[in-house]
Amino acid sequence: SAVISQKPSRDICQRGTSLTIQCQVDSQVTMMFWYRQQPGQSLTLIATANQGSEATYESGFVIDKFPISRPNLTFSTLTVSNMSPEDSSIYLCSVGTATNEKLFFGSGTQLSVL
Amino acid sequence: SQELEQSPQSLIVQEGKNLTINCTSSKTLYGLYWYKQKYGEGLIFLMMLQKGGEEKSHEKITAKLDEKKQQSSLHITASQPSHAGIYLCGAPGRLTFGTGTRLTIIP
Repeated sequence: SAVISQKPSRDICQRGTSLTIQCQVDSQVTMMFWYRQQPGQSLTLIATANQGSEATYESGFVIDKFPISRPNLTFSTLTVSNMSPEDSSIYLCSVGTATNEKLFFGSGTQLSVL
Repeated sequence: SQELEQSPQSLIVQEGKNLTINCTSSKTLYGLYWYKQKYGEGLIFLMMLQKGGEEKSHEKITAKLDEKKQQSSLHITASQPSHAGIYLCGAPGRLTFGTGTRLTIIP
């Protein structure tokens, strides 16, 4: 299993600002993902964080809004840029095996945008 | 795209009672995860089913994938307050998740 530390656990931000969320894993992992969970909805995959290259974004998500870094196999960041109240969500980092047979999740970041 | 529908959306059960949560896919599943989410604790992996007809148990939780691999059920026996949370089914590969079932246990 993998232990994932995600921070901050929560934040309240002003409209137009940016927030960077960090995800640290206690072991090297192949796959790292970022999810969003809007109030009352299920998880939506934002992107796959690729080590050493640009992240792969899902439909509806763009790099300018959600820049992602993954400098090594144990760490990734997600930035929510130019925030609006619609960005208020829980953001989750996840890691998986090469075949996604098992996924592990961080505890999430509760973001509220005023 | 793969869509997963869970039912019921919410469930309130008296402690000690049994309950079942269902997850239905619009396409044949190549496997299915069940997760539990508690606020502030992230998602907890419960089990993964891969074969049609497969059934797995963990403590008082049993999950089964039907033979056609389009529906899975999660059954909790003699529910306890510790079972409360949101249960999510998920499909590997495309990393798609169901809408979740919020379970409340009443003492």
